[in-house]
Amino acid sequence: AQSVTQPDIHITVSEGASLELRCNYSYGATPYLFWYVQSPGQGLQLLLKYFSGDTLVQGIKGFEAEFKRSQSSFNLRKPSVHWSDAAEYFCAVYTNAGKSTFGDGTTLTVKP
Amino acid sequence: KAGVTQTPRYLIKTRGQQVTLSCSPISGHRSVSWYQQTPGQGLQFLFEYFSETQRNKGNFPGRFSGRQFSNSRSEMNVSTLELGDSALYLCASSLAPGLAGLSTDTQYFGPGTRLTVL
Repeated sequence: AQSVTQPDIHITVSEGASLELRCNYSYGATPYLFWYVQSPGQGLQLLLKYFSGDTLVQGIKGFEAEFKRSQSSFNLRKPSVHWSDAAEYFCAVYTNAGKSTFGDGTTLTVKP
Repeated sequence: KAGVTQTPRYLIKTRGQQVTLSCSPISGHRSVSWYQQTPGQGLQFLFEYFSETQRNKGNFPGRFSGRQFSNSRSEMNVSTLELGDSALYLCASSLAPGLAGLSTDTQYFGPGTRLTVL
């Protein structure tokens, strides 16, 4: 069965610092991969997705993610974090078995 | 243009009752997906509708059902409520069909309905 692991429940970074949120998946083939963000005042929003092709994917709000097949990972990155990036981030996968799975989420706190 | 609307925003029910939640997608969107979010189980996909047809269903018991109308508005129903059904229920709309609730194009989420079962 497929699974998604976000190893970090909570991450704190200083404003202006770089950010990397980890996501690992378990599936026999390459799934479709997604990152979502959930902000208290903004609701849930799709940041980016990977289906195939270039393994570095650009998303909205300055986020990018890199798919690494050898590590079964799809880590989310941002070079310089803004206070407004404080939110909960979810990684998700879709497999050709027609199933989707969300990770448990990583809560990001941004220090001034 | 108006966003995704979910009604009601808050709801309190007792065990054994049933509940119906409504989702109005963005005008022109034909795909509606539903999700359940709880502290214990996290975010889980419930079902997805496109043009009145259920395209996919998550791993939930038959007490959870849904439908989509010709105007793309969608409802979900939970019968015989249990305490564990207390959750935030989210819906999302998009132009194109998704992948078990994950979007193939721009996807817009509603604010959710907070259901409390006592």
